[in-house]
Amino acid sequence: ETGVTQSPTHLIKTRGQQVTLRCSSQSGHNTVSWYQQALGQGPQFIFQYYREEENGRGNFPPRFSGLQFPNYSSELNVNALELDDSALYLCASSLRTSLGDTQYFGPGTRLTVL
Amino acid sequence: QKEVEQNSGPLSVPEGAIASLNCTYSDQGSQSFFWYRQYSGKSPELIMFIYSNGDKEDGRFTAQLNKASQYVSLLIRDSQPSDSATYLCAVGSYQKVTFGTGTKLQVIP
Repeated sequence: ETGVTQSPTHLIKTRGQQVTLRCSSQSGHNTVSWYQQALGQGPQFIFQYYREEENGRGNFPPRFSGLQFPNYSSELNVNALELDDSALYLCASSLRTSLGDTQYFGPGTRLTVL
Repeated sequence: QKEVEQNSGPLSVPEGAIASLNCTYSDQGSQSFFWYRQYSGKSPELIMFIYSNGDKEDGRFTAQLNKASQYVSLLIRDSQPSDSATYLCAVGSYQKVTFGTGTKLQVIP
């Protein structure tokens, strides 16, 4: 177990709706990254938060947004859901060092958009 | 060119053999290198990380890094059927970790 938790485990939404996914980081970690993983693909980087500030973003539209809270838990919000948003959403927490981040993943949230 | 490239496989090896998984990356500024194992329907699990050129061993696993060739590999000795999974190579630079699409490994009993 990595100590990283995510909720909910599964979620079904309809096109156009909004969704909020939650992540609780491993104790002591100050960085959280969110990824989208479609079936048969590697995780695609959405964005990263370091000490409550967005610290890097992948090639995702602004309708994907996030927050990191003082206790280093995090949210991923997706507005105006599209069918292609159906995927496994992963959060990974890490402790930033001079060599970078060693990321530990939560169990993921499986989102289905109908 | 993809940032992190892996052969998608499947790579089939008999039980007890050595499995060799390979990965190349394009960003010469990359500083950290990771191997994750992912079982179907589960999240990635960290197996190894390596920062310096050379070999790093942990149990049955050995990670090898050659920054000049922009190449990283994972060797699994004495492969077991429980090693059957998708192995993801990930490469870290400042603020970002980029994943390959993974190599599916099948260990045949």
